[in-house]
Amino acid sequence: AQSVAQPEDQVNVAEGNPLTVKCTYSVSGNPYLFWYVQYPNRGLQFLLKYITGDNLVKGSYGFEAEFNKSQTSFHLKKPSALVSDSALYFCAVRDYPGYNKLIFGAGTRLAVHP
Amino acid sequence: KAGVTQTPRYLIKTRGQQVTLSCSPISGHRSVSWYQQTPGQGLQFLFEYFSETQRNKGNFPGRFSGRQFSNSRSEMNVSTLELGDSALYLCASSLESGSSYNEQFFGPGTRLTVL
Repeated sequence: AQSVAQPEDQVNVAEGNPLTVKCTYSVSGNPYLFWYVQYPNRGLQFLLKYITGDNLVKGSYGFEAEFNKSQTSFHLKKPSALVSDSALYFCAVRDYPGYNKLIFGAGTRLAVHP
Repeated sequence: KAGVTQTPRYLIKTRGQQVTLSCSPISGHRSVSWYQQTPGQGLQFLFEYFSETQRNKGNFPGRFSGRQFSNSRSEMNVSTLELGDSALYLCASSLESGSSYNEQFFGPGTRLTVL
């Protein structure tokens, strides 16, 4: 069965510093991977996806993610964090053969301090 | 383009009642999926509808049901509500372009509280 794991419940980073939110996956077949962000009292906002192609995926709001097949990881990164990036981040994998069924990680709360 | 809309945004019900939640997808999107979000279980897939047919179903009891209309709008129904059904219910839509896999876009959710 497909699964993703987010090993950190919370990540703290100072504004202006680079940030990384970790995600590892377990799939049968080729992985379709996603990152979403959730702000308080809001739904999920799509950040980026990896389907195939370049291992470095660029997304919205300056975020990018690196797909690493050997380490089965898909970490979310940003070169310079903003206080406004503070939110809950979810990694997800498409279930197979699940059409649009996504399996989500538990989420990582990112806190960016001024 | 307008995003995914969900109504109502907040709902309070008592145990044993039933509830219907509504979702309007982004114009042109034919796939609508529903997810339940709780602090304990996280985000869990309920079901997906495409062209008025349920295409996929998660591991939820039969009290949870849904449907999709010809205009792609979708409703989900929960009968005989239990306290554990208190959650944020999220609807997501995606474009089925056929050429590549498209991401899902989520609505703001309906916060259901069961007393």
